[in-house]
Amino acid sequence: QVQLVQSGAELKKPGASVKVSCRTSGYNFPGYYLHWVRQAPGQGLEWMGRINPKNGGTNYAQKFQGRVTMTSDTSINTAYMELSGLTSDDTAVYYCAKVKGLAARFEYWGQGTLVTVSS
Amino acid sequence: DIQMTQSPSSLSASVGDTVTIACQASQDISNFLNWYQQKPGKAPKLLIFDASNLETGVPSRFGGSGSGTDFTLTIGNLQPEDVATYFCQQYDRVPYTFGQGTRLDIK
Repeated sequence: QVQLVQSGAELKKPGASVKVSCRTSGYNFPGYYLHWVRQAPGQGLEWMGRINPKNGGTNYAQKFQGRVTMTSDTSINTAYMELSGLTSDDTAVYYCAKVKGLAARFEYWGQGTLVTVSS
Repeated sequence: DIQMTQSPSSLSASVGDTVTIACQASQDISNFLNWYQQKPGKAPKLLIFDASNLETGVPSRFGGSGSGTDFTLTIGNLQPEDVATYFCQQYDRVPYTFGQGTRLDIK
């Protein structure tokens, strides 16, 4: 069955960077875009961007341009999201999500990774 | 960016009721609209895709309708396990955007 397993919770200081991993199994990893969505405590969902694992192509939300880097390693079916210049506003649960088909229908989600930014 | 506005922000209904949640897009998004259910501490779950298609395994008492700018999620025969927050999401244009959520409780 399809599984997306994310790395564990992180505590970071302001200005630092964080790298979250998303290890996938049960499907053809290069064949589907992998998206990242975050959710601040008690808030809604915010799309950050996506990566095409087949060729490494990325699209980022303008809000995160220059601060986010999404990568993937097809040898281990794993995607990564690195966010730099962290502030307290980046405290959130970060999710990876696999799409259904070609479009951004988020069919499978990771369990989420809580990133806390605090001095 | 396309703004997605949900209403109401919260509602309370009784077991067996039918509830309706509305989602309005700030511009025409055709049928590029999904609905998700999120329970506390869990990742969202896809319920409806392409405005009206029921995701595999989702009970048939969930239904979606609409196109263009106005969409609706309907839950019939409300069950206790339906207590959750529901989000709509457009994927017509990047950045893909979500509604602010509708919290559903049981009376």
